[in-house]
Amino acid sequence: DTEVTQTPKHLVMGMTNKKSLKCEQHMGHRAMYWYKQKAKKPPELMFVYSYEKLSINESVPSRFSPECPNSSLLNLHLHALQPEDSALYLCASSQGRSNYGYTFGSGTRLTVV
Amino acid sequence: GENVEQHPSTLSVQEGDSAVIKCTYSDSASNYFPWYKQELGKRPQLIIDIRSNVGEKKDQRIAVTLNKTAKHFSLHITETQPEDSAVYFCASPEYNNAGNMLTFGGGTRLMVKP
Repeated sequence: DTEVTQTPKHLVMGMTNKKSLKCEQHMGHRAMYWYKQKAKKPPELMFVYSYEKLSINESVPSRFSPECPNSSLLNLHLHALQPEDSALYLCASSQGRSNYGYTFGSGTRLTVV
Repeated sequence: GENVEQHPSTLSVQEGDSAVIKCTYSDSASNYFPWYKQELGKRPQLIIDIRSNVGEKKDQRIAVTLNKTAKHFSLHITETQPEDSAVYFCASPEYNNAGNMLTFGGGTRLMVKP
């Protein structure tokens, strides 16, 4: 299995809702990432998990809460989002070593209304 | 942190022509340079990468060159086809306890006209 699977593919949520994005990989990768991508912009790093521990939080607002239940799963819990949080949310994984690239999931297109 | 600059931001070529996209990076310790292709509405996909122990790598119509002294690397696409139309991102890693954390260039929108 060489895929990173993200669900759901599309999500519309109100500003008072609570929802979760899910990401799964079975490549034995030990690093997993959440990126946010706005239209016509590069992916922006949000969180890095290394060996199931949160190692990087790029000053992301607390309305985004990541969770790594095990080495194959990564969740992003969403609460009280703003319309400007609408974006494509990409999960990625890598071997975690310095000279290997990422495998990206297909993303969740999030719209906050 | 790492700073990656990418040029041009848009590139329009005629089918069959070559396309070149250039990136510069700031961290002299960086030793891995991937290129991603992102088609509209899809995920970024790794198309080629290069490690610092070589100066050039080719894969069919795609090649990447690296100049570590000048801290820049380039993507070369020959005999472009309409299906090459996409946004291309270069990246360079920033090293920390998390292993590698990629910083992306601003992207180049390539349009190949039939």
